[in-house]
Amino acid sequence: EDQVTQSPEALRLQEGESSSLNCSYTVSGLRGLFWYRQDPGKGPEFLFTLYSAGEEKEKERLKATLTKKESFLHITAPKPEDSATYLCAVQRVRITQGGSEKLVFGKGTKLTVNP
Amino acid sequence: DVKVTQSSRYLVKRTGEKVFLECVQDMDHENMFWYRQDPGLGLRLIYFSYDVKMKEKGDIPEGYSVSREKKERFSLILESASTNQTSMYLCASSLGVLGFGQYFGPGTRLTVT
Repeated sequence: EDQVTQSPEALRLQEGESSSLNCSYTVSGLRGLFWYRQDPGKGPEFLFTLYSAGEEKEKERLKATLTKKESFLHITAPKPEDSATYLCAVQRVRITQGGSEKLVFGKGTKLTVNP
Repeated sequence: DVKVTQSSRYLVKRTGEKVFLECVQDMDHENMFWYRQDPGLGLRLIYFSYDVKMKEKGDIPEGYSVSREKKERFSLILESASTNQTSMYLCASSLGVLGFGQYFGPGTRLTVT
């Protein structure tokens, strides 16, 4: 069964204190790994898709990397507005014709950045 | 920008009522999804649709049905609402079948009393 585990569950940082969030996964053939940001009471906001080991994507202070077993979301010099829950999801390779393959989500890391 | 809208942000219904949640996307996406999100359980897929009039069950379809009569619109129906269906409901859409990110709506907080 496909599984996604995110760690830590919660992380408190001071403004400017860089850190990383982890997403470990087991899936029988990875089609894509996705990172989302979710603010309280709102829907998740799509950030990145990573497709293969060694790939990296960047957006402002965020950088996502991928290995064969995990992904990291690196946050450089975070600001209070980066406070949110960050979700990771994986999609497996589809082996039958038609339809789609669902995303399997982790439970998220709640990031708090204090000024 | 992709825009996914949901018919209500907050909804309060009574046990046994039939509830309709509507979702509309404006980017001509093929795929649409309904999730519910609960503390400690994360996001769970209820149903998804990869084409008009096509649907597939997700992880927790019991007590729910869906309808997709037009490409841009995907409805979630609670046939007879129960208190354990109190949750945040999220609709999403994606361009392609595989490898495409899903874009979420703002969510509907449903309370069943």
